Amino acid sequence: QVQLQESGPGLVKPSGTLSLTCAVSGGSISSSNWWSWVRQPPGKGLEWIGEIYHSGSTNYNPSLKSRVTISVDKSKNQFSLKLSSVTAADTAVYYCARAGWASSQFGVTNYFDYWGQGTLVTVSS
Amino acid sequence: EIVMTQSPATLSVSPGERATLSCRASQSVSSNLAWYQQKPGQAPRLLIYGASTRATGIPARFSGSGSGTEFTLTISSLQSEDFAVYYCQQYNNWPREYTFGQGTKLEIK
Repeated sequence: QVQLQESGPGLVKPSGTLSLTCAVSGGSISSSNWWSWVRQPPGKGLEWIGEIYHSGSTNYNPSLKSRVTISVDKSKNQFSLKLSSVTAADTAVYYCARAGWASSQFGVTNYFDYWGQGTLVTVSS
Repeated sequence: EIVMTQSPATLSVSPGERATLSCRASQSVSSNLAWYQQKPGQAPRLLIYGASTRATGIPARFSGSGSGTEFTLTISSLQSEDFAVYYCQQYNNWPREYTFGQGTKLEIK
C-alpha cells in the first residue's frame, strides 16, 4: 500500500518561498508513475500545481509555472515543491499525490490514486 | 486550458434515493475523466477513472458514464456516508495537465 506524507513549514511570509516535501513509502518513486502536487484553498476547490517523473521530467500548471519548481530525490524516495513569491492567495492545504495510469483502446489515462493527508500552509506576516 | 464545469453546485437528496451529478468539459477529453469524493478534513478519494471504471474497493452503487465533453456520476442508493463533495477531473495527454471541476456538494435532504 503506497503512502504519501507531506512535510514543511505551516507558515510562510508574503514574498517568501513555500517549500514542501512528500515522502513516499510502500512503493518506489522510480515506478512508472508521475508524482503531483495539488492544492486547495480553504473552502474552495482543487487545483493541480504540477508533476514530476523519476527521470526529473516535469510539467506545471501554466498559471503557476513561473513560480513553481518540483524536484525529486530518488535516494530518499521523496519529491519536493517550491513556490516562490507567495501571497495570501497561496494559502491552502497542499496535497501530494501519485498519478495512477490505465490503458484502453483510447490510449493511456492518468488519475490520482494515492494522496497524502495534506498540510495547511498559511501565507501571513 | 480545458475548463471543467460541474452541476449542480449543491444537490439535496434523501438517503436511499438516486443522485446524478454532471460534469462538462470545454473540449473533448475522450474518456480521460475521473471522479473523487472528499469529506471535510480529508484528502480526496478516487471513485472512478477512465470515465466509467470503478477504483479498487469502491461500492457498485457508484457508476460513471459519458465520453467527450459530457459525463455523469450516479450513486444508485445513497448511504449516509455518501454525503460529501464530489469533484471531476480531466487528464490531457499533450501537454500533460490536469484540471478539476469546482465540485458538487451532495447534502442530505
